[in-house]
Amino acid sequence: SYVLTQPPSVSVAPGKTARITCGGNNIGGKSVHWYQQKPGQAPVLVIYYDSDRPSGIPQRFSGSNSGNTATLTISRVEDGDEADYYCQVWDSSTDHRVFGGGTKLTVL
Amino acid sequence: EVQLVESGGGLVRPGGSLRLSCAGSGFTLSTYSMSWVRQAPGKGLEWVSSISSSSHIYYADSVKGRFTISRDNGKNLLHLQMDSLRAEDTALYYCAKDPVASTRERDSWGQGTLVSVSS
Repeated sequence: SYVLTQPPSVSVAPGKTARITCGGNNIGGKSVHWYQQKPGQAPVLVIYYDSDRPSGIPQRFSGSNSGNTATLTISRVEDGDEADYYCQVWDSSTDHRVFGGGTKLTVL
Repeated sequence: EVQLVESGGGLVRPGGSLRLSCAGSGFTLSTYSMSWVRQAPGKGLEWVSSISSSSHIYYADSVKGRFTISRDNGKNLLHLQMDSLRAEDTALYYCAKDPVASTRERDSWGQGTLVSVSS
């Protein structure tokens, strides 16, 4: 089965840039979605189809995807960005939707 | 405005059954791909099942043969019939409207319904 690997945690100071990676075999050939989840809340889509940003999501959020790694980049990090972040793809070889294990972003 | 409201969760004994429902409003549920995603306490997101707009159905290996996804188009409802429940099925179950690639229409999620499997 297809596996997505994320670092369990990333820490960043306010105003700096956070990068959260999502590794998978030839993930660059798939469309990646990124979700933000705050405690007690449903997940919120922050990046879809690798690099598109849904309406209402700040431009500080961006995404890229190439080779074996997709990356969510959050610029000028704010306290309110502290959350769990999950990457997700559709694996067409198994017809399974796959989530990464999640990354806890801590704002120092 | 798109809204999804889940219901049907509760406490059930191992081996028992539950039927979750998801009521959609603000859109026609049958014209979109819909999914169930669960989250065990303190754990990450886990995909459970999806049904496409053309009614293709997909299941995670962990629930295949035990769970059944279906739609009631007349009532704009999505269901998840869960049989032979196990302790490891304990989770918050979310209903989600999937994003659409061709139009870049975004997704939408409900607030979840809690399923607890325990003796």
